[in-house]
Amino acid sequence: AQSVTQPDIHITVSEGASLELRCNYSYGATPYLFWYVQSPGQGLQLLLKYFSGDTLVQGIKGFEAEFKRSQSSFNLRKPSVHWSDAAEYFCAVGANRGNKLVFGAGTILRVKS
Amino acid sequence: DVKVTQSSRYLVKRTGEKVFLECVQDMDHENMFWYRQDPGLGLRLIYFSYDVKMKEKGDIPEGYSVSREKKERFSLILESASTNQTSMYLCASSRPGTANYGYTFGSGTRLTVV
Repeated sequence: AQSVTQPDIHITVSEGASLELRCNYSYGATPYLFWYVQSPGQGLQLLLKYFSGDTLVQGIKGFEAEFKRSQSSFNLRKPSVHWSDAAEYFCAVGANRGNKLVFGAGTILRVKS
Repeated sequence: DVKVTQSSRYLVKRTGEKVFLECVQDMDHENMFWYRQDPGLGLRLIYFSYDVKMKEKGDIPEGYSVSREKKERFSLILESASTNQTSMYLCASSRPGTANYGYTFGSGTRLTVV
């Protein structure tokens, strides 16, 4: 069965600093990986996804993520954080041609000025 | 703009009431999902449906039921609301083979049971 671990419940970064949110997954085959963002009181918005090919994927809002099979990780990065990036971030994993995604517990990002 | 619409943003209900949460999507998606979201627990799948009148239990179906009479509409029913069902409820939809496409989410319904 698939599972996702986001080790950091909260992260605080200064505006303009770089960001890395960690995600580790457990899945026997090649995973399909996603990052979603949830602004306060809102639903989840897809940031980026990885299916195959280039292990560094680009998403919206200047985010990128790198798939590392050897570490079972799919960490989200941004070189310079803006105050509007404050939100909760969820990593998710899916199976090939499967119908369900499994989500991590989320990481809350706080941005200080 | 394609979207998933949840009928209520906020609901307050009394213990023991029967509660209906409605979700409508305009993308002609086959799959629809209901999750609840609680702090520190992430999203937990309650039920999902991959076709009209079809449903499957997720990880936490107890105390809930669902209805899908039309492709675009997926309803979550709390048969007898309890305070431990106070939560944020998120509806999502997708094409078959979710892994290839991901989900589209609604804005959520924050339910408080008093």
